[in-house]
Amino acid sequence: GESVGLHLPTLSVQEGDNSIINCAYSNSASDYFIWYKQESGKGPQFIIDIRSNMDKRQGQRVTVLLNKTVKHLSLQIAATQPGDSAVYFCAATRGFKTIFGAGTRLFVKA
Amino acid sequence: ETGVTQTPRHLVMGMTNKKSLKCEQHLGHNAMYWYKQSAKKPLELMFVYSLEERVENNSVPSRFSPECPNSSHLFLHLHTLQPEDSALYLCASSQAGGRGDGAQYFGPGTRLLVL
Repeated sequence: GESVGLHLPTLSVQEGDNSIINCAYSNSASDYFIWYKQESGKGPQFIIDIRSNMDKRQGQRVTVLLNKTVKHLSLQIAATQPGDSAVYFCAATRGFKTIFGAGTRLFVKA
Repeated sequence: ETGVTQTPRHLVMGMTNKKSLKCEQHLGHNAMYWYKQSAKKPLELMFVYSLEERVENNSVPSRFSPECPNSSHLFLHLHTLQPEDSALYLCASSQAGGRGDGAQYFGPGTRLLVL
């Protein structure tokens, strides 16, 4: 069946460094991709999205890269801050059907 | 605050009880979703409603019964649940385009424990 997988369950970075979280999806028909952040006790929070007709999109301190050839998605966080500590999920969507990855927990060391 | 509220935030129920989870969105969106989040597993899509019609039903056991009376409200009725149904139940809403996609905004979830 369809799947979305993250390369690392945890990632530890130094405050001020850049973070890169990677994700792979299986369904080549997926055409809309989203990154979410989930803090303890809260629901997932939308960070940034990208459609399949793009390969890069930038937000405030975040960049999403999409490589449709290898079905790979990445989230880059610039100048990582303690407040960025959370679980990050990628999601691949086709129509109303969204498949989520298992999540990467980001630890930020002061 | 994301504009999506869920009540109750915590619920403990026995296997013979009947309870309902409520979700309300204040974003003017036209689609609403129920997800189940279990420990160390990806979010599982349960149900999707678009313009108050169910458009996705992901092989969810009949002991879970959704209801969408209007575009702002979504319920999940629970009856004769099993202990393995204990999880965080998340509601989300989106402004879905013609293809159905759109960023989903989540509520804080209801933490359910079935004894």
